[in-house]
Amino acid sequence: EAQVTQNPRYLITVTGKKLTVTCSQNMNHEYMSWYRQDPGLGLRQIYYSMNVEVTDKGDVPEGYKVSRKEKRNFPLILESPSPNQTSLYFCASSLMGQGGTEAFFGQGTRLTVV
Amino acid sequence: GQSLEQPSEVTAVEGAIVQINCTYQTSGFYGLSWYQQHDGGAPTFLSYNALDGLEETGRFSSFLSRSDSYGYLLLQELQMKDSASYFCASRQANAGKSTFGDGTTLTVKP
Repeated sequence: EAQVTQNPRYLITVTGKKLTVTCSQNMNHEYMSWYRQDPGLGLRQIYYSMNVEVTDKGDVPEGYKVSRKEKRNFPLILESPSPNQTSLYFCASSLMGQGGTEAFFGQGTRLTVV
Repeated sequence: GQSLEQPSEVTAVEGAIVQINCTYQTSGFYGLSWYQQHDGGAPTFLSYNALDGLEETGRFSSFLSRSDSYGYLLLQELQMKDSASYFCASRQANAGKSTFGDGTTLTVKP
């Protein structure tokens, strides 16, 4: 089954404690990205990657890091989480050649930073 | 940069037809996508218009006019399960960045 898998689904952590949210896709997609979703603000892109070792900033990259060492994995790293990073996070993927936006989304990670 | 604007809320009755509009401003444009999201769930891809005109997929259709920087999602024969948020989105040409509208909450009433 074609899917994007994120882990964990729910996470409560304390300010300043480094964390990683994993994302993996099994469709051999070149394009992967991370979004955060806050009430009333829709989805805002954090980082995206157009292929292995190629990453770039989205609209809200501050406080986040990513890496793309393998095509299937695109982890999101919060080196020093703060309460304003409490949000619902989605990983997504698509083929590069289609021109459209991401076709597949993970189930989401609800992060609370206290 | 890119920005996409859509109405925040739309209400319709079961069995009716509803249109959700999206206007965009972008420095480069591939096409317009539409997504459905139920409360707390993952966005689900509905359709993508790369060319002007109407694309039909079952009860849902999507339209794009590049000359007017405008598109819409048309939902026919509304059902209660269609109550959800709907987002338009586009990817910036050659840059890879995607931008979503803030979403339209559709409420379907009996």
